[in-house]
Amino acid sequence: GAGVSQSPSNKVTEKGKDVELRCDPISGHTALYWYRQSLGQGLEFLIYFQGNSAPDKSGLPSDRFSAERTGGSVSTLTIQRTQQEDSAVYLCASSLRRVGLDTQYFGPGTRLTVL
Amino acid sequence: QKEVEQNSGPLSVPEGAIASLNCTYSDRGSQSFFWYRQYSGKSPELIMFIYSNGDKEDGRFTAQLNKASQYVSLLIRDSQPSDSATYLCAVMEETSGSRLTFGEGTQLTVNP
Repeated sequence: GAGVSQSPSNKVTEKGKDVELRCDPISGHTALYWYRQSLGQGLEFLIYFQGNSAPDKSGLPSDRFSAERTGGSVSTLTIQRTQQEDSAVYLCASSLRRVGLDTQYFGPGTRLTVL
Repeated sequence: QKEVEQNSGPLSVPEGAIASLNCTYSDRGSQSFFWYRQYSGKSPELIMFIYSNGDKEDGRFTAQLNKASQYVSLLIRDSQPSDSATYLCAVMEETSGSRLTFGEGTQLTVNP
């Protein structure tokens, strides 16, 4: 079946501009996660959605970052007034969020470059 | 102290050998443990997960968990050049719900 999809695959933007990254989870997966991976760094958790609500948004690095999820499906991560340190690969994952079946499957990522 | 630590590597093994990847974690409340493989320029791909102490085998891969020692490992038997990748250890910590905390990964090279 279809996996997690993300768009765009690559995004180049100028410092100060806003960007929106999109994630479409695996059908039926109620949980959705955003992570980012900077060059030479491990994966860093950003935010977790269960349905349309975000019980854990503690990983968002600043108030320039926000995310929403609608219809229990697609999610958008928005970065306002981008900075060069925001350059990274932004990865989305989804899971069934059931006890014993909480494995997360990742999408291909969006590579963001802030010039 | 990092929450999840892995051998930074790189680890190099000859084709056909056993590759051993190690991971330690700091939160004793951690419940679930995952190994992901990440090829260069690609996203992480789930290899195995383990919840209970002991060994779990899946084909050429064996995950080992020792909660008392806060240690989880991945063994790859009969290593192939196609196994060359970065292996990420991830821990789901009881107190943080579903978030995964990742180690920085171990880069494995299998030489033909």
